[in-house]
Amino acid sequence: DAKTTQPPSMDCAEGRAANLPCNHSTISGNEYVYWYRQIHSQGPQYIIHGLKNNETNEMASLIITEDRKSSTLILPHATLRDTAVYYCIVRVGENRDDKIIFGKGTRLHILP
Amino acid sequence: DGGITQSPKYLFRKEGQNVTLSCEQNLNHDAMYWYRQDPGQGLRLIYYSQIVNDFQKGDIAEGYSVSREKKESFPLTVTSAQKNPTAFYLCASTRERRSNQPQHFGDGTRLSIL
Repeated sequence: DAKTTQPPSMDCAEGRAANLPCNHSTISGNEYVYWYRQIHSQGPQYIIHGLKNNETNEMASLIITEDRKSSTLILPHATLRDTAVYYCIVRVGENRDDKIIFGKGTRLHILP
Repeated sequence: DGGITQSPKYLFRKEGQNVTLSCEQNLNHDAMYWYRQDPGQGLRLIYYSQIVNDFQKGDIAEGYSVSREKKESFPLTVTSAQKNPTAFYLCASTRERRSNQPQHFGDGTRLSIL
């Protein structure tokens, strides 16, 4: 079972920042938070990941709360191409099975 | 550009037929994975391979087989024993297993039964 909780859908106006929340209240100390997105009929695309500190790359920023029980993915200037299902995943860096467990994610609609 | 290539994009299987899905990566990644995705569902792990000539069953390996003869290639065969093969199949790779490095995915193969 997925260890994260995300809202099923969100809307965001084009050009505005999209803030996607994720709850992972049972996260353990050695689990990382990963974000992927999946555009219809394509493979999941890796966005960003982090352990404790906030992270930023060319695609997005990841804000992790101090207690690590929740995080927010920020797309700073959303475009229509950002319409996708966004998945928040927690995973141990050195777990036994190494598989990724995807929950149902958040379907993000970018409105023109 | 480096990446993961899956082929074909669409595949149709007849009753009793085995079909093979191709996955090639030029990222020099050690670990490779096969997942299955059903409509509206998350990913389920079929098989994974940490190094050449080694692979392990995932959660739903029955009816599937794999090989890892080369580092860059990890083909998946869907055998006639898989009674419900219609799904979206995704191949992924990561630089090394059991690390915090993310898995990167191909664009998938959609398999249907004729």
